[in-house]
Amino acid sequence: QSVLTQPPSVSEAPRQRVTISCSGSSSNIGNNAVNWYQQLPGKAPKLLIYYDDLLPSGVSDRFSGSKSGTSASLAISGLQSEDEADYYCAAWDDSLNGRVFGGGTKLTVL
Amino acid sequence: QVQLQQWGAGLLKPSETLSLTCAVYGGSFSGYYWSWIRQPPGKGLEWIGEINHSGSTNYNPSLKSRVTISVDTSKNQFSLKLSSVTAADTAVYYCLKEMDVWGQGTTVTVSS
Repeated sequence: QSVLTQPPSVSEAPRQRVTISCSGSSSNIGNNAVNWYQQLPGKAPKLLIYYDDLLPSGVSDRFSGSKSGTSASLAISGLQSEDEADYYCAAWDDSLNGRVFGGGTKLTVL
Repeated sequence: QVQLQQWGAGLLKPSETLSLTCAVYGGSFSGYYWSWIRQPPGKGLEWIGEINHSGSTNYNPSLKSRVTISVDTSKNQFSLKLSSVTAADTAVYYCLKEMDVWGQGTTVTVSS
């Protein structure tokens, strides 16, 4: 049971837009920055979004992040087959004094 | 650009101690937190703990009694030890810089 809650899977057609939600609490998302990671099959995760909505250098601007209260979202526009991956949200948790992850969301591009 | 190279034993027996090391290349070692994360087969990511260059640590409460993370600033390396392993500790273990740069991962299997 993950501290942060994500839908197990989402799917959408190519060239469309999809959002992945991440729900937490005041001790994590509500008070700390959220990171998003993309994990392609068989690969190490890669930082996609940091500090809620910032893109690391080299990450496509088709990816965007947002946060409101105790929830965060990752949006992917112009879906491509190469976006099929697992996506994880993460944040620091003040109550646990540690970092927590969502359970991951598997994106399928139909 | 910082790169991380990790290594350690990949096959352990129950009750043994897992030991992994991560070397940092191409950037400053100071001023950052260096982390370990694991991923059991077919499952999600679990944060194990972190350390900074001065040795200040934070650990996952569920693993704290078995985990030690240490740092060797002279070699720009940090290490993970997890004692009394069981099959539930079978996972790919990753080292990270500040939750942004990831090592290549080390598969650790615990089996008798």
